[in-house]
Amino acid sequence: NAGVMQNPRHLVRRRGQEARLRCSPMKGHSHVYWYRQLPEEGLKFMVYLQKENIIDESGMPKERFSAEFPKEGPSILRIQQVVRGDSAAYFCASSPPSGRSNEQFFGPGTRLTVL
Amino acid sequence: QQQVKQSPQSLIVQKGGISIINCAYENTAFDYFPWYQQFPGKGPALLIAIRPDVSEKKEGRFTISFNKSAKQFSLHIMDSQPGDSATYFCAASLRAGGTSYGKLTFGQGTILTVHP
Repeated sequence: NAGVMQNPRHLVRRRGQEARLRCSPMKGHSHVYWYRQLPEEGLKFMVYLQKENIIDESGMPKERFSAEFPKEGPSILRIQQVVRGDSAAYFCASSPPSGRSNEQFFGPGTRLTVL
Repeated sequence: QQQVKQSPQSLIVQKGGISIINCAYENTAFDYFPWYQQFPGKGPALLIAIRPDVSEKKEGRFTISFNKSAKQFSLHIMDSQPGDSATYFCAASLRAGGTSYGKLTFGQGTILTVHP
């Protein structure tokens, strides 16, 4: 039973480029959360998605960031025109359908470096 | 009101000792309090979690103590081992299900070092 998968594990982009981060939730999980971890800091919530729906994007920067969780395929966190301040570890977590559990299981993360 | 405050920032313990990490929260609607363990370069791993209807939960060497009236909870690691050296995060969320959801609000983290 595979855990949460994220790819790529490491991503290097130059300022102004686009970054695409992918997350495949655990089997049977329909909820996906994205968190960002800046160096030496805790994790900060970004966005919560269910299949084809964004439920809460209150933690997402208003510009350049977007997320989706299509009917088929992984969840994607997209950062356009990256800047140095976007350098961080981005973690995806998944949880079972509502009402069953709060438990969130995290992937290994994507470490984004912006040059 | 959504903050979770964690202390200490770093902790050094001798092998066999007890490690204690504390967290305090403000939002009384929080209903689920997990602790995560994170090793360098890895994602956080769920260690143990508690709901406010119990005051203590134990799993192996790990115990959560919960004080609802003080809005505080703590992680105790008994017989600490060098392999426990990691960063520990407390977190809190509203109950999942229905129209609410379970996004986690994390504390700032505690770097635990256990000396052999």
